[in-house]
Amino acid sequence: SAVISQKPSRDICQRGTSLTIQCQVDSQVTMMFWYRQQPGQSLTLIATANQGSEATYESGFVIDKFPISRPNLTFSTLTVSNMSPEDSSIYLCSVAREAYEQYFGPGTRLTVT
Amino acid sequence: GEDVEQSLFLSVREGDSSVINCTYTDSSSTYLYWYKQEPGAGLQLLTYIFSNMDMKQDQRLTVLLNKKDKHLSLRIADTQTGDSAIYFCAEFRGRGYQKVTFGIGTKLQVIP
Repeated sequence: SAVISQKPSRDICQRGTSLTIQCQVDSQVTMMFWYRQQPGQSLTLIATANQGSEATYESGFVIDKFPISRPNLTFSTLTVSNMSPEDSSIYLCSVAREAYEQYFGPGTRLTVT
Repeated sequence: GEDVEQSLFLSVREGDSSVINCTYTDSSSTYLYWYKQEPGAGLQLLTYIFSNMDMKQDQRLTVLLNKKDKHLSLRIADTQTGDSAIYFCAEFRGRGYQKVTFGIGTKLQVIP
């Protein structure tokens, strides 16, 4: 497994603002993913963060709303742009060396007021 | 389809066995997982089973897979209060677009 950290662990933001979430892993990994977990819901994959190229977004998620960076094999950021209360969720980063074995970070709990 | 279904809630007494069930619809699933999420925490990978296996045991955890019925279960022996958490079933589809799909999670409450 890998040690994964996320910053911030939680935040309360005003609508219309943006928040950037960081994900750091203690060793190089092939794949990094970003998920959203809305209150009382399961995890939904937002996108796969690709190193050196644009992220691959799932249906219903777009780059303008959720820009993602992955400058190297141990770090990625997810920005939640122009936030609304509907964006209140837990955002989770996961990493994998093989796609079938994902490990998750502790999550970032976002509340938008 | 990509549905993974689980019951929402399970309550057991401390010391009893817990059995959490899951059904999935994608016959091409190659790996099936159980993740645990404690309050305020991320997801912890508890165990996974490859689709050509029908059972996997790891200490107090037993995973049973019925591929014909597309049914996965997690048995926790001698359930402890520290086992109280949400348990997510998930599947990985190895063919085509490789992706992990999660169920909604079963909240396990352990009564002392």
